[in-house]
Amino acid sequence: AQSVSQHNHHVILSEAASLELGCNYSYGGTVNLFWYVQYPGQHLQLLLKYFSGDPLVKGIKGFEAEFIKSKFSFNLRKPSVQWSDTAEYFCAVRNQAGTALIFGKGTTLSVSS
Amino acid sequence: GAGVSQTPSNKVTEKGKYVELRCDPISGHTALYWYRQSLGQGPEFLIYFQGTGAADDSGLPNDRFFAVRPEGSVSTLKIQRTERGDSAVYLCASSPGTTQETQYFGPGTRLLVL
Repeated sequence: AQSVSQHNHHVILSEAASLELGCNYSYGGTVNLFWYVQYPGQHLQLLLKYFSGDPLVKGIKGFEAEFIKSKFSFNLRKPSVQWSDTAEYFCAVRNQAGTALIFGKGTTLSVSS
Repeated sequence: GAGVSQTPSNKVTEKGKYVELRCDPISGHTALYWYRQSLGQGPEFLIYFQGTGAADDSGLPNDRFFAVRPEGSVSTLKIQRTERGDSAVYLCASSPGTTQETQYFGPGTRLLVL
């Protein structure tokens, strides 16, 4: 069965530090990949997505992610985090049937000012 | 415009009772999804509707769970004989047409079964 693994459960950073959150998926075929974010008290929002083409994807709020097919990875990055980036981050892959998203367990990011 | 809305926002019930959770998708979105999120976990897929029909219900955990979307808009997730293990946040999402498009999530319904 397809799965998504997020390596970090809880990441704590100071403002202006660089961020990289790991995500690995299990499926080896054509993949659609996503990062969603959930700010405290808010619903899930799409940060960025990869379907095809340039493996370096830019999203909202300065986030980017790189699709590395050989490593089955789709890591999320941001050069300089802000306090407002404190949130839970979920990596997801569309299932083989194309009917649903399979999510990782999420990474909680805490940014101190 | 209005996003996906879900009611109620919180529901407390007793073991063995029946509950209904409602989802109002974004207007014009034909695809609708239900997910369940337990504490410390990511959302888990339950069911996908395209229009009025359930195109994929493989994520429903057992026959106590059922969902409908009779007019291709609002959807109701129904849980019979609730168990304590059903306690979770139930999320609804919609997308404009095909499953290739971005899913927009609602705020969820937090269900607590005592």
